[in-house]
Amino acid sequence: GIQVEQSPPDLILQEGANSTLRCNFSDSVNNLQWFHQNPWGQLINLFYIPSGTKQNGRLSATTVATERYSLLYISSSQTTDSGVYFCAVDRFYGGATNKLIFGTGTLLAVQP
Amino acid sequence: NAGVTQTPKFRILKIGQSMTLQCAQDMNHNYMYWYRQDPGMGLKLIYYSVGAGITDKGEVPNGYNVSRSTTEDFPLRLELAAPSQTSVYFCASSYGATRTDTQYFGPGTRLTVL
Repeated sequence: GIQVEQSPPDLILQEGANSTLRCNFSDSVNNLQWFHQNPWGQLINLFYIPSGTKQNGRLSATTVATERYSLLYISSSQTTDSGVYFCAVDRFYGGATNKLIFGTGTLLAVQP
Repeated sequence: NAGVTQTPKFRILKIGQSMTLQCAQDMNHNYMYWYRQDPGMGLKLIYYSVGAGITDKGEVPNGYNVSRSTTEDFPLRLELAAPSQTSVYFCASSYGATRTDTQYFGPGTRLTVL
């Protein structure tokens, strides 16, 4: 099956710093999403981005589908950005099911 | 809207016991999913449903069963609990399965099997 690898596995930042998280996937995908899991375990969808670039406030994401990677940029980080960031993909075989394959995540800690 | 709700929040089971994890959504979503998250790992799909009466297996279905009698509810059943089923279980739902349909997640159920 498709493999999803994320790097770095963990990251410590000072508040105000910028960071880039990477997601590599082993095969072509039709669906790529970024999620944030906060320290209390709640999962929130950040971006649906199978290709191209999107921005939402201090966060932006770029997927280069032909090279099988996606990047999540966090600018001017805040302590509330702490948590685990997951990349998830779906190849969309045949009938659509939205069956996501998750990477192992990047654990981000933003220190005040 | 309450979104996706899960009960219980925490549970400790003994080996061999059974239990049902409850999941409900009030967003009139057609698609529902059960995932498990082991420590330090990403989520893995256990079962999913594309509508009432229709369910199918995900990546890791062994040891679990599901049913979907209504649009709102999607319970997950563990019949003979094993230590390997110690995990955090997340339920999610989405309106459809097109490429832009966001999955909304519940708060999770933390299960320990001793």
